[in-house]
Amino acid sequence: KAGVTQTPRYLIKTRGQQVTLSCSPISGHRSVSWYQQTPGQGLQFLFEYFSETQRNKGNFPGRFSGRQFSNSRSEMNVSTLELGDSALYLCASRPDIGTEAFFGQGTRLTVV
Amino acid sequence: GEDVEQSLFLSVREGDSSVINCTYTDSSSTYLYWYKQEPGAGLQLLTYIFSNMDMKQDQRLTVLLNKKDKHLSLRIADTQTGDSAIYFCAVMDTGRRALTFGSGTRLQVQP
Repeated sequence: KAGVTQTPRYLIKTRGQQVTLSCSPISGHRSVSWYQQTPGQGLQFLFEYFSETQRNKGNFPGRFSGRQFSNSRSEMNVSTLELGDSALYLCASRPDIGTEAFFGQGTRLTVV
Repeated sequence: GEDVEQSLFLSVREGDSSVINCTYTDSSSTYLYWYKQEPGAGLQLLTYIFSNMDMKQDQRLTVLLNKKDKHLSLRIADTQTGDSAIYFCAVMDTGRRALTFGSGTRLQVQP
């Protein structure tokens, strides 16, 4: 079956702009989590959505937000971009029952 | 919060075994994972182990868990050049259903 799909793969934005990233989970998975990967901070949890509700949230400022649609697809939005937001953003989908978290290829965001 | 530590680098010769180590702090962590990341790619789930297990084997991969010492290891038998990548240890915070990752171990396989 198809894996986790993230679009776009690459983005370049200017400071102050906003950006929206998309994640389509594996068919049948209702949990979608987002992670930020940077050389300095490593992999950090942003938030998790389940059945269109944010279930958990990491320690990121309110500029980082997300949502999930009825088909389980999720979007992540970052407003007022800062240079430090440059990172690889990874999305993971998880079965309703089960512990495996499957990751997409990520969206590499560069803020200039 | 949870802290996960890994050594940064490991170099082995092709055909040898590789052992990547990881320590964690939260004894309530119930699921522990190993992911592989190749350049420019996302994370590939290699294997995971539940905390009531001591060992799990899957083809060339063997995971060992020492709960007392909060130590997790991944052994790759007959390491190949295609195994060169960064390997991440991660533990699950079941309350938040969030993964806490180590900083990753870069495995270099010499031909």
